[in-house]
Amino acid sequence: GAVVSQHPSWVICKSGTSVKIECRSLDFQATTMFWYRQFPKQSLMLMATSNEGSKATYEQGVEKDKFLINHASLTLSTLTVTSAHPEDSSFYICSARAVEVRTGEAFFGQGTRLTVV
Amino acid sequence: AQSVSQHNHHVILSEAASLELGCNYSYGGTVNLFWYVQYPGQHLQLLLKYFSGDPLVKGIKGFEAEFIKSKFSFNLRKPSVQWSDTAEYFCAVSLSYNTDKLIFGTGTRLQVFP
Repeated sequence: GAVVSQHPSWVICKSGTSVKIECRSLDFQATTMFWYRQFPKQSLMLMATSNEGSKATYEQGVEKDKFLINHASLTLSTLTVTSAHPEDSSFYICSARAVEVRTGEAFFGQGTRLTVV
Repeated sequence: AQSVSQHNHHVILSEAASLELGCNYSYGGTVNLFWYVQYPGQHLQLLLKYFSGDPLVKGIKGFEAEFIKSKFSFNLRKPSVQWSDTAEYFCAVSLSYNTDKLIFGTGTRLQVFP
């Protein structure tokens, strides 16, 4: 099946620094990738949708200047958390939808646990 | 706003017991419905999905779900669970006018004991 790889799996950073998370589709081309955030005991919340070669679409309440998304190729999207603060600590998950896949069905990465200290 | 509710947060069963996990959504229009499973330390995987047609959907590993439009529900069932079904289960919905956005429930943690 289709594989989506996320890197790193976990990261600890100091407050005020920036962290980049990569999301790669390993065996298919993904025109659309999605970034989610999950707080403990809560559901996954969609942060943004990124389309290859264009600007990401952010959900209401998500700061686009804080969560920079770049989808430079059909197999790679990156999420950069800029000037991270402890409240940004969370579990970030990406998913990717192949070109030929129908509505909403996407393949997920393993997630990245970010801890800001 | 649209939402998805999973009322069972933690379910503990013995092997061979039957399973039913509840999922309700709040939206009056056309929806696509999904169940995802996340085994310990692994990615979210699609278990089954409903787009249209027969409201009883069969998925992988013996799971099935029934879409009951009048109840806004999409409950997941399995007649006889196994220890290997221990995982977190997420119900999700996408709306016909915005199929890119998956709205997830909070998940149900299933523990199956031998």
